[in-house]
Amino acid sequence: DIQMTQSPSSVSASLGDRVTITCRASQGIGTWLAWYQQKPGKAPKLLIYDASSLQSGVPSRFGGSGSGTDFTLTISSLQPEDFATYYCQHANTFPPTLAFGGGTTVDI
Amino acid sequence: QLQLQESGPGLVKPSETLSLICTVSGGSISRSNYYWAWIRQSPGKGLEWIGSIYYSRSTYYNSSLKSRVSISVDSSKNQFSLKLTSVTVADTAVYYCARPPQGSNSGYWGQGTLVTVSS
Repeated sequence: DIQMTQSPSSVSASLGDRVTITCRASQGIGTWLAWYQQKPGKAPKLLIYDASSLQSGVPSRFGGSGSGTDFTLTISSLQPEDFATYYCQHANTFPPTLAFGGGTTVDI
Repeated sequence: QLQLQESGPGLVKPSETLSLICTVSGGSISRSNYYWAWIRQSPGKGLEWIGSIYYSRSTYYNSSLKSRVSISVDSSKNQFSLKLTSVTVADTAVYYCARPPQGSNSGYWGQGTLVTVSS
């Protein structure tokens, strides 16, 4: 089974900061990597899919990069609404299995 | 725009079966190149994949839940469903249905439904 490891598990940042979260896969997964934002009591919101494709409606300050085993989510200038928990996710095609990172909490 | 909505009992007794339905609107569940999934999140914890189903009804389950899980599709109603048997308090969680991002295609999630296991 593919394992996804996120780091750091939490990060403290200020408004306007550039924040980088990394996700590492236990084996190569091409670009089959998505990033989600989750706020308390809400469903995860898709930000990035296919490693670097921005989901419609998501602000351009969010960016994704990487391929193979190492991936990055970058928030270029942290806004008040960005304080949340972020998850990476790999979706395999066959077999159709999902693997999630452990999450990264971005707080003040 | 694809939309997914979970439905089912919010309270289940220990040792009984948890049953949830995901209704898909805005697109056909039978589109051949996508699969559908159930995911859960226990209080204060991360996301856990439960299992997936292709339009062909091929199913794949998390090995830790495999003995208790069943996922099926009802194409006539554009729904897929989850059954989890012999539940315990450890199965208390928010349950989500989703069409995960696949390849270069985007994904969609339901809003989630809280299921509490308690006598």
